[in-house]
Amino acid sequence: NAGVMQNPRHLVRRRGQEARLRCSPMKGHSHVYWYRQLPEEGLKFMVYLQKENIIDESGMPKERFSAEFPKEGPSILRIQQVVRGDSAAYFCASFRLAGANTGELFFGEGSRLTVL
Amino acid sequence: DAKTTQPTSMDCAEGRAANLPCNHSTISGNEYVYWYRQIHSQGPQYIIHGLKNNETNEMASLIITEDRKSSTLILPHATLRDTAVYYCIASAQKLVFGQGTRLTINP
Repeated sequence: NAGVMQNPRHLVRRRGQEARLRCSPMKGHSHVYWYRQLPEEGLKFMVYLQKENIIDESGMPKERFSAEFPKEGPSILRIQQVVRGDSAAYFCASFRLAGANTGELFFGEGSRLTVL
Repeated sequence: DAKTTQPTSMDCAEGRAANLPCNHSTISGNEYVYWYRQIHSQGPQYIIHGLKNNETNEMASLIITEDRKSSTLILPHATLRDTAVYYCIASAQKLVFGQGTRLTINP
């Protein structure tokens, strides 16, 4: 059973370009989280998605950032007009909803974005 | 999500038990206690979680006080590969990570 797959693992963009990060959850998982980790800092919640649904986007910056999880295909985190402050590791995690709690989150290895 | 408080850093000798404390005095009745760790810059790894009762799995044990205001993660025989940042989270739904405890296992 393949784990959570994120790609690209490393992405370099110039200021003003767009970055697209993809996350394929584990088989059978229909819920996905995205987190951002700035250098030397902890993980910050960004968005929680179910297939075709945004459940909680309270951690997403109001502008330039968007996320989707279509019925078919991976979840996409899109950053438009990137700035240097967007340089970070972006982690995706998936889980199978189990009862009243989120259960065990399975994380991918992250996508490291560098903005020049 | 209830706020959690953890020591910034801890050291432990290889082969000894590592006991990592966590305070979550405002935890609600429906919030679970989760422990994750992040080794270097890899993706975080789930360790264990519990609600009221103590839990044990192949990685660790989780001891939750009767009033649920604090818990301790126990790594029974720490190895060098257990050096990581350990996160304690109290949540009913989305997991909000704090700064965690940087655990260093010394030879």
